[in-house]
Amino acid sequence: ETGVTQTPRHLVMGMTNKKSLKCEQHLGHNAMYWYKQSAKKPLELMFVYNFKEQTENNSVPSRFSPECPNSSHLFLHLHTLQPEDSALYLCASSQDFEVYEQYFGPGTRLTVT
Amino acid sequence: GQNIDQPTEMTATEGAIVQINCTYQTSGFNGLFWYQQHAGEAPTFLSYNVLDGLEEKGRFSSFLSRSKGYSYLLLKELQMKDSASYLCAVRDSNYQLIWGAGTKLIIKP
Repeated sequence: ETGVTQTPRHLVMGMTNKKSLKCEQHLGHNAMYWYKQSAKKPLELMFVYNFKEQTENNSVPSRFSPECPNSSHLFLHLHTLQPEDSALYLCASSQDFEVYEQYFGPGTRLTVT
Repeated sequence: GQNIDQPTEMTATEGAIVQINCTYQTSGFNGLFWYQQHAGEAPTFLSYNVLDGLEEKGRFSSFLSRSKGYSYLLLKELQMKDSASYLCAVRDSNYQLIWGAGTKLIIKP
């Protein structure tokens, strides 16, 4: 238990669906991250929020839309996804953006059919 | 471009020692990290090196040589529970983490 929770743990969705992933951290951290993890590939940083402000968007397609209503919650809204978007989506948090240790949630296993 | 290289998979025997290497080429350097990830679970932090040398933490040690762009994670007295993927990551000049693809370590009895 890392103090970062993610729901749902598994999600199967069609290409025309709209769904949202939720992340919550109970650590009092100020920075939160979304990563994509595909088999045998490096973790891909998607979005970074520091003090609720988005600081990074690493050329992520617009079909992924993040939302950070407060420093404890982070959402990833999904719409019109492609099969290649199937992956493990990990949320992480850290005390601040420049602090070294990130705490990860267990991830959401997403399958797009 | 930025690149982190580590072996895809390694096999070792319970009770033995294994060294997992990581080489990197990044835009600047602000520290190197090792994370452990068991199948189906979250990555968990193992170690952090920012200066050259060896950092020891129980059965795990991590070494860094900045001039060579090289690090290794050393695991001693291997246990079956050490079977996992080990992720190397470097923080670049923009404080972004650049990740390797991970090394899957298989421990055999």
